[in-house]
Amino acid sequence: EIVMTQSPATLSVSPGERATLSCRASQSICSSLSCRPSQNFTSNLAWYQQKPGQAPRLLVYGASTRAAGIPARFSGSGSGTEFTLTISSLQSEDFAVYYCQQYNEWPLTFGGGTKVEVK
Amino acid sequence: EEQVVESGGTLVQPGGSLRLSCAASGLTVSGSYMSWVRQAPGKELEWVSTLYNGGSTYFADSVKGRFTISRDYSKNILYLQMNGLRAEDTALYYCAKSSWTMVRGLIMPDGFDIWGQGTLVTVSS
Repeated sequence: EIVMTQSPATLSVSPGERATLSCRASQSICSSLSCRPSQNFTSNLAWYQQKPGQAPRLLVYGASTRAAGIPARFSGSGSGTEFTLTISSLQSEDFAVYYCQQYNEWPLTFGGGTKVEVK
Repeated sequence: EEQVVESGGTLVQPGGSLRLSCAASGLTVSGSYMSWVRQAPGKELEWVSTLYNGGSTYFADSVKGRFTISRDYSKNILYLQMNGLRAEDTALYYCAKSSWTMVRGLIMPDGFDIWGQGTLVTVSS
């Protein structure tokens, strides 16, 4: 099973500031058997946002492709085992819990989440 | 607009059975990659099961042999039959739809882009 580890568990950020969330996979989740950062292979990783009392919302898939309707201030990056979700300028509606998820192999697995709170 | 609505969650005793339903609109469960994802109170998301449009099924080890996933074509409903329920199955169960992607020659569901609001299953005596 691929273990997804997110850090930090809680991130305190002021509105308007940048937030950087990390997600690490216990093994490569790249589409190719051999995946180097210089190569343009897709990594099978998604990011979700979940607000209290709501269902998760897909933000990013393929590690860096924004889902439909997601604002440009959300960007995903990384490949292989190390991934980042960056929120360029936090808006009030962005304070939530964020999860990463791999779909490279069964079982599908999620990270433990990063809570972004108001500083 | 694509939408899914879950139902069927309730309080059930350990060892009991329950069937969850996920009614879809704006999409067909038979033509989609449909999954169940659960979330225990205050915990992270946990994938439970996936049903491919071709009929293949996949399960988390924690529910394998106890849960089954199926669909009704005519009613456009996805089901999760849960038997042998345990306290650790207590969670909010979400129905979710995904698209698909090729991973080293295999079809895998990619990001879950449509979610319901969930139905709560509580296993307790």
